[in-house]
Amino acid sequence: AQSVAQPEDQVNVAEGNPLTVKCTYSVSGNPYLFWYVQYPNRGLQFLLKYITGDNLVKGSYGFEAEFNKSQTSFHLKKPSALVSDSALYFCAVRGLNTNAGKSTFGDGTTLTVKP
Amino acid sequence: DGGITQSPKYLFRKEGQNVTLSCEQNLNHDAMYWYRQDPGQGLRLIYYSQIVNDFQKGDIAEGYSVSREKKESFPLTVTSAQKNPTAFYLCASTEDRLQPQHFGDGTRLSIL
Repeated sequence: AQSVAQPEDQVNVAEGNPLTVKCTYSVSGNPYLFWYVQYPNRGLQFLLKYITGDNLVKGSYGFEAEFNKSQTSFHLKKPSALVSDSALYFCAVRGLNTNAGKSTFGDGTTLTVKP
Repeated sequence: DGGITQSPKYLFRKEGQNVTLSCEQNLNHDAMYWYRQDPGQGLRLIYYSQIVNDFQKGDIAEGYSVSREKKESFPLTVTSAQKNPTAFYLCASTEDRLQPQHFGDGTRLSIL
């Protein structure tokens, strides 16, 4: 079985400061990892993914994530937060052998960036 | 513009009534999914389909049914057997297991 943990329900940062949203995962074999963002009353939007290769992945809107195999983590980061980054963020994992591309999502982390 | 269209945006169900949520995609994706989102619980998989005329139960399929008669369409029926249907329902599709899922903008279902 595969699982994802987002240990923080809420992350608060000041505008201009760096932000980190944490994610750890459990899966058989090599993982495919994804980050999504959700704004109120909208669907999820894809930010970035890790499939293989470089452990530092760059994505949309200046976000990046670092894959750490030994710690089974895939934390989302941004060097300088914007107020418009305030949203709900989801980490998702999909195992190499998972049927039909089924993903397991974390419970989400609400990011609030204050001016 | 390619994407996923969910309708209606808001839906109200009366006691004992079945309701159907529409999901249409023009991305030419084979795989489609239905998720339920409750506050603080993330997304839970209801049903998924890898190909036309085939679908499988997800983690919380009880009280729901689906069909996949066309590649573009994957409607979800919330039956009267689902005793707590109030939630935000999201439809998604994907090209293959290496690609992210594309999501519609959801249907919010409430009980009258």
